[in-house]
Amino acid sequence: DTAVSQTPKYLVTQMGNDKSIKCEQNLGHDTMYWYKQDSKKFLKIMFSYNNKELIINETVPNRFSPKSPDKAHLNLHINSLELGDSAVYFCASSPLGQLAYGYTFGSGTRLTVV
Amino acid sequence: GDSVTQMEGPVTLSEEAFLTINCTYTATGYPSLFWYVQYPGEGLQLLLKATKADDKGSNKGFEATYRKETTSFHLEKGSVQVSDSAVYFCALSDQGTGFQKLVFGTGTRLLVSP
Repeated sequence: DTAVSQTPKYLVTQMGNDKSIKCEQNLGHDTMYWYKQDSKKFLKIMFSYNNKELIINETVPNRFSPKSPDKAHLNLHINSLELGDSAVYFCASSPLGQLAYGYTFGSGTRLTVV
Repeated sequence: GDSVTQMEGPVTLSEEAFLTINCTYTATGYPSLFWYVQYPGEGLQLLLKATKADDKGSNKGFEATYRKETTSFHLEKGSVQVSDSAVYFCALSDQGTGFQKLVFGTGTRLLVSP
């Protein structure tokens, strides 16, 4: 069983479209994250949710809206896609207050905006 | 805020060569330190970690020691294999703001040739 699963794995779309990426974890973790990895492999945190509550929002444009229907799911919706949104988006999870264990990552969603 | 600095890559080695990838950090408090590995087309996997000064993390022949005096966590392996070719990320747990997250270095690509 996949611990952190993301769908879709690849997403190609036109500028101006709206798209969603889904993430689910079956580890029982309380905290989930979205990271963006650019073409140079740099990883930057976007959002963090703890038990459905937003706790980190790192200067991400309003076009990005995370939604957490329950603590096992954290979806990312992107409005009015721009060329600069092209990247790999990673979902991750960790136990509450136990960052010493690190994160468990999903396999990523490669978004290409054309 | 807290930050991680890694040596720039790519690091190019022949099989069975000795590997060192340098990582230094800046942090308030006492972070945990991590090395993650990303194989082509995949997500990040935790390679090893250390939670306090002088701890040594090890896994799959890789080692790193948490050096508080030099604020370093260098990754080493005595004899690399072609299958070790990947991007390696150093990271720390940032708890300085009260919101827990991992902060990653820029990644170092390792290329091992037969």
